[in-house]
Amino acid sequence: AQRVTQPEKLLSVFKGAPVELKCNYSYSGSPELFWYVQYSRQRLQLLLRHISRESIKGFTADLNKGETSFHLKKPFAQEEDSAMYYCALASGTYKYIFGTGTRLKVLA
Amino acid sequence: GAVVSQHPSRVICKSGTSVKIECRSLDFQATTMFWYRQFPKQSLMLMATSNEGSKATYEQGVEKDKFLINHASLTLSTLTVTSAHPEDSSFYICSALPGLALGEQFFGPGTRLTVL
Repeated sequence: AQRVTQPEKLLSVFKGAPVELKCNYSYSGSPELFWYVQYSRQRLQLLLRHISRESIKGFTADLNKGETSFHLKKPFAQEEDSAMYYCALASGTYKYIFGTGTRLKVLA
Repeated sequence: GAVVSQHPSRVICKSGTSVKIECRSLDFQATTMFWYRQFPKQSLMLMATSNEGSKATYEQGVEKDKFLINHASLTLSTLTVTSAHPEDSSFYICSALPGLALGEQFFGPGTRLTVL
C-alpha cells in the first residue's frame, strides 16, 4: 500500500540550529516526492520536489530509495521557517498521498 | 504563477441545508482538481479527485451522495455538501493540477464551513 509517514508532529529547534524533517514512504513504483509548506494563515505551496534537485529557501531534500526516505533539511533554521510541512507522494494514477505533517517551530 | 481561487472563503449554514463551494483555476486549465478536508492542526485528508468531464473518484469512507463534486469545465470544480450537519464543519481545500502530468499542485486558500 502507498503510504507517507512523517513521524514527528512537532519539531522545535532554536534559530541557527540544523533542521531535519523526516519523511518515509512506501511505494512499489518510482515515486515522485514533494515537500509542501503552509505558513500561518497562508495556503499550501510547493517547497520543493525531488526531481528538480534544487535548494529552496535553504532547504534541500534527497531521495534515498534504499531507505525509502525523503527527509527535508536545512543547516541553519530561521524564525520565518516556522510552518507546517507536508511530505507528499505522487503515483502514476493521479494519486497524491500526503503525510500527516510536521509543525516546525523555530525558537528565537 | 498559477492561481487557484475558492469561493466562498467562509460560510455558516444551518443543519440540513446544502452548501456549494467553488474552486477555480484563474490562469491555467486544470484537467484534474482535488478536494481535501483539513481538521484543526491536522493533516490534509483527500476526499476526491475530480477530472473534467467525468465522474469524480472518491476516497474510501467519503460519501459521494453527501459530497457532490462537479468538474464541468477545465477551470471550475464545485463541491456541494448536501444536507450538512455539524460534523461536516471543517476547512475544505481544493487544488488544481495543470496539464496532464503529475506535478506541482496549486492550492486554493480554503473554505471554512461551519454548520450550526
